[in-house]
This record gives sequence, C-alpha cells and structure tokens, in this order.
Amino acid sequence: NAGVTQTPKFRVLKTGQSMTLLCAQDMNHEYMYWYRQDPGMGLRLIHYSVGEGTTAKGEVPDGYNVSRLKKQNFLLGLESAAPSQTSVYFCASSGGRDSSNQPQHFGDGTRLSIL
Amino acid sequence: AQSVTQPDIHITVSEGASLELRCNYSYGATPYLFWYVQSPGQGLQLLLKYFSGDTLVQGIKGFEAEFKRSQSSFNLRKPSVHWSDAAEYFCAVGAYSGGGADGLTFGKGTHLIIQP
Repeated sequence: NAGVTQTPKFRVLKTGQSMTLLCAQDMNHEYMYWYRQDPGMGLRLIHYSVGEGTTAKGEVPDGYNVSRLKKQNFLLGLESAAPSQTSVYFCASSGGRDSSNQPQHFGDGTRLSIL
Repeated sequence: AQSVTQPDIHITVSEGASLELRCNYSYGATPYLFWYVQSPGQGLQLLLKYFSGDTLVQGIKGFEAEFKRSQSSFNLRKPSVHWSDAAEYFCAVGAYSGGGADGLTFGKGTHLIIQP
C-alpha cells in the first residue's frame, strides 16, 4: 500500500525552465492538494482538487498550474521557474464527500531548487 | 479566513519530562483540527484529529490534545517525552464547506528539541 507517491524526489532547475511534479494516490481519494513548505512558514496551499477534472486555487497559486485528468493523479506544473519557487512541495489526498471527516495523507515531498 | 498560531518556534524538553505544545486557531465555524509531526527530510504524519464529540483526543505515540472552544485552542500534550519525539510539529485547521474539503491552514510549526 503505497499511499501518496510523489515524483521526482529532488530536482534542480534553471530560472525559466519548466517542469511537472507528479502526485499519485492509490486510496481512491476524491480530494488532492499541493502545498509548499518554506522555512519558518509552515505549509501553504497552492492548488487543490475536489474531484477528477476539477481544480481550485489555494493561498499561493501564482506561477503554478495544475491538472487532474485522472482521479488518482494530480500534476503541478511550473511553466517558467523562478528562484522564489525554490521550496519543498508536498502532495496530499483525503476522502470524498461521504467521508468529509477524513484527514489528509501526505507524500514524502519533492525538493525543488531553482538556480 | 481561518488561521493558526503556534506561539513557540522552539521548545526544549528533557527526556522523560512532560510536554505541551500550544496551538490557537481562528475560524468562524466549528473547526476541524489536526496535529502533524514531521521528522527531518520526511513528510507529515498525522498524530491526531478533532472533528466533534469528546474534546480530549487521543493520538498515536502517546500524544493527546484538548479542544477548548472558549480559548480557541488545541494544545498537544505528552506525559513523558522520548528522544525519538524530537521533530517539527504542526497544528492545522481544516475548512470543510459545501461538501468539499478546501485544504488545511497550517501553523508555522514548533521545533521540539529533546535534551538527554
């Protein structure tokens, strides 16, 4: 039982490059989330999805795009990476409408450095 | 909008001593509250959660937390800490509105140091 799996675990980019972070969950969860974690800031919500084909903005969405084409996958894209996007990115998932009291399950994170 | 305050950035406790980590929240309705623990280089592990009912919640690893609506607090406690408890602890509040789950708002974390 893998839970929430994030790919890749580490990545270094140059300013202006693009990349996609992949999150996959095998718990049949409806809801998925992308957070970023910066020193002294806790975790902040970037985007989230309440079901396949839907996405919504979180607290810090600028510079990121997301897609949820399949229920089990949630992709986070950086179209033109900036040094301010250097961070640790966490994906999470939780149960759906019939289980709204379920906690979020987190992946192990992706460490992204933008030079 | 909801918010979470963890007043203590760092806390140092001797091994075997009791622990209390503070968490205050701001939310307009009944909150869903969580405590997560993060070891260095790792993801977040859920310690315990409060949704409703009994205001004293038991979690894993011997942790408990008490929801106090009048004080807008959800403090985490452990009667006797172990060296393996050294980690970063995050309190979070969830907004579950309109049948959806709109994501968690986290505090900035408390770094727990255990002295031998």
